[in-house]
Amino acid sequence: DIVMTQSPDSLAVSLGERATINCKSSQSILYNSNNQDYLAWYQQQPGQPPKLLIYWASARESGVPDRFSGSGSGTDFTLTISSLQAEDVAVYYCQQYYSTPPTFGGGTKVEIK
Amino acid sequence: DVQLVESGGGLVKPGGSLRLSCAASGFSFTNAWMSWVRQAPGKGLEWVARFKGKSDGGTTDYAAPVEGRFTISRDDSRNTLYLQMNSLKVEDTAVYYCTPHAILSGIQRNYFNYWGQGTLVTVSP
Repeated sequence: DIVMTQSPDSLAVSLGERATINCKSSQSILYNSNNQDYLAWYQQQPGQPPKLLIYWASARESGVPDRFSGSGSGTDFTLTISSLQAEDVAVYYCQQYYSTPPTFGGGTKVEIK
Repeated sequence: DVQLVESGGGLVKPGGSLRLSCAASGFSFTNAWMSWVRQAPGKGLEWVARFKGKSDGGTTDYAAPVEGRFTISRDDSRNTLYLQMNSLKVEDTAVYYCTPHAILSGIQRNYFNYWGQGTLVTVSP
């Protein structure tokens, strides 16, 4: 199974500041035939189910604000919130869908400083 | 709009059984790949099982911790997904979410763009 490791476990960021979350896969999740990284990012607000933010490592899901962006390739990925808003307080998860079983990172909790 | 309503959770003793249901609407269920994903209290997300749609063979896959104990099934005439859970263990305690797989360029992908509210399963002596 592909192991997904997120860092940090938690971070506190001031409103309007940048938040950066890292995700590393235990093997490359770049599929050479289509040059796509099989990585998704989710946001889970308190008491809510997860919400898809990003797929293909950097494609924003419809309706997701453009302050959320994904980057990286191969084994190292980043989710960036460019200007943190109060409603962004949540736990964020990365997930690989390159192989079965699909596996998730342990989550990163984002709070307001 | 896509709607997913899970039900059937509750309190059960170790070794017991429970059957979860998920009523789906707002999308073409018959050929949709469907999965169960769980989340233990205060913990992260864990994929549990997948049922591919009819056009992709209708096969099933399971996570190692539940293989042989859990059975995923579906009734396409009722747009309903099920999870039969037997020989339950304390570590199976979690909120169980039903989720269709995302479809991109006509291909089913192993990520999830719609989620229900989940149903809580508590396994305790």
